Amino acid sequence: DAGVTQSPTHLIKTRGQQVTLRCSPKSGHDTVSWYQQALGQGPQFIFQYYEEEERQRGNFPDRFSGHQFPNYSSELNVNALLLGDSALYLCASRGRGETEAFFGQGTRLTVV
Amino acid sequence: GQQVMQIPQYQHVQEGEDFTTYCNSSTTLSNIQWYKQRPGGHPVFLIQLVKSGEVKKQKRLTFQFGEAKKNSSLHITATQTTDVGTYFCAGSNTGKLIFGQGTTLQVKP
Repeated sequence: DAGVTQSPTHLIKTRGQQVTLRCSPKSGHDTVSWYQQALGQGPQFIFQYYEEEERQRGNFPDRFSGHQFPNYSSELNVNALLLGDSALYLCASRGRGETEAFFGQGTRLTVV
Repeated sequence: GQQVMQIPQYQHVQEGEDFTTYCNSSTTLSNIQWYKQRPGGHPVFLIQLVKSGEVKKQKRLTFQFGEAKKNSSLHITATQTTDVGTYFCAGSNTGKLIFGQGTTLQVKP
């Protein structure tokens, strides 16, 4: 079982560009959540996907969007990147009816 | 909106000393989860508490959930160098996790 896998592991982008991050959930998991973790801070909830629809959203602007595919994998898209978007982006998955979240190793995004 | 606060932000202890981190929520929680993140790593689930006043133990770790389900604590007895990392509490009400800012533990051998 590969657990939650994210790609890429590191990424450098320029202000104004767009980025797509990818996540494959743990086998058997159908719910995927995305979190942004700034240096020295706790993860902040961006949104959650279940059955290919966004079910919950945190306090993030519309520049942050996502998608979930029929195989439960997910993408996080960020448009018009700002320097403040530099952070570790974490994907977490859980199974139906379960509360324990399994996190991927994250994608370290640097905006310059 | 819902907020989860954790104290202290940092704790340096000598190996063998005890360690405690405290977590407080602005609202009543349906459950609280604890995660550990090693330097350069990702959060790893430790435990979930659901019932008011619940106490759970994992070897040297003791987790408590307050009677009002708004606060929690993690206590480590006789710390070891392998305990180094940041400990996060995360409150859950509607399935999404609201994390505290974490307590970073350093252990001097």
